[in-house]
Amino acid sequence: EVQLVESGGGLVQPGGSLRLSCAASGFIVSSSYMNWVRQAPGKGLEWVAVMYGGGITYYADSVKGRFTISRHSSNNMLFLQMNRLTIEDTAEYYCARDIGGYKYGLYYHSGMDVWGLGTTVTVSS
Amino acid sequence: QSVLTQPPSVSAAPGQKVTISCSGSSSNIGNNYVSWYQHLPGTAPKLLIYENSKRPSGIPDRFSGSKSGTSATLGITGPQTGDEADYYCGAWDSRLSVGVFGGGTKLTVL
Repeated sequence: EVQLVESGGGLVQPGGSLRLSCAASGFIVSSSYMNWVRQAPGKGLEWVAVMYGGGITYYADSVKGRFTISRHSSNNMLFLQMNRLTIEDTAEYYCARDIGGYKYGLYYHSGMDVWGLGTTVTVSS
Repeated sequence: QSVLTQPPSVSAAPGQKVTISCSGSSSNIGNNYVSWYQHLPGTAPKLLIYENSKRPSGIPDRFSGSKSGTSATLGITGPQTGDEADYYCGAWDSRLSVGVFGGGTKLTVL
């Protein structure tokens, strides 16, 4: 069964750090486009970061320089290292697989077909 | 302020067809695929439409997607009370090199 399970959320003080994990089963993370998406309380979905199969990464401006997306091929996991957290980072964090690909020298994104249930990050003093 | 613009809410009676619009620009919808998601509180978002108009297996044909220029539309034919949820459009923005979502549309079935 294709599945994603996030973990690592919790309560952290402003300025602190947290590392989220996403365990994948049924497919290979290192061959897929993997995203982190978040939803702050009362707000809509916000894309956070993506890692392509080749290892290229992109980040939302709101997290660039503070968050790092990475993966571990041997245990088929995706991570999000979050540093210098602010209250605005409080959200439910989801990992999601995109079924995009690479064509004519360009990456394309088709849609995120597998999502985890999310892990809650609360930044508060 | 979301890069993609959706109406905050729509409503429809059972048996009617309801549409949700998603407006963007040439750097996102105009030159990239659009996807649509259904999200119920406390659950994982669900992919309804990918590559503008394709449905994943298991998604009923009551859900449809289309794209024209820099706008996209999600259609739901004969909405049911179980379809009450938040709906989001998404796309890649080639100029910003980021993923973008609409602000979400809450569907109410009257």
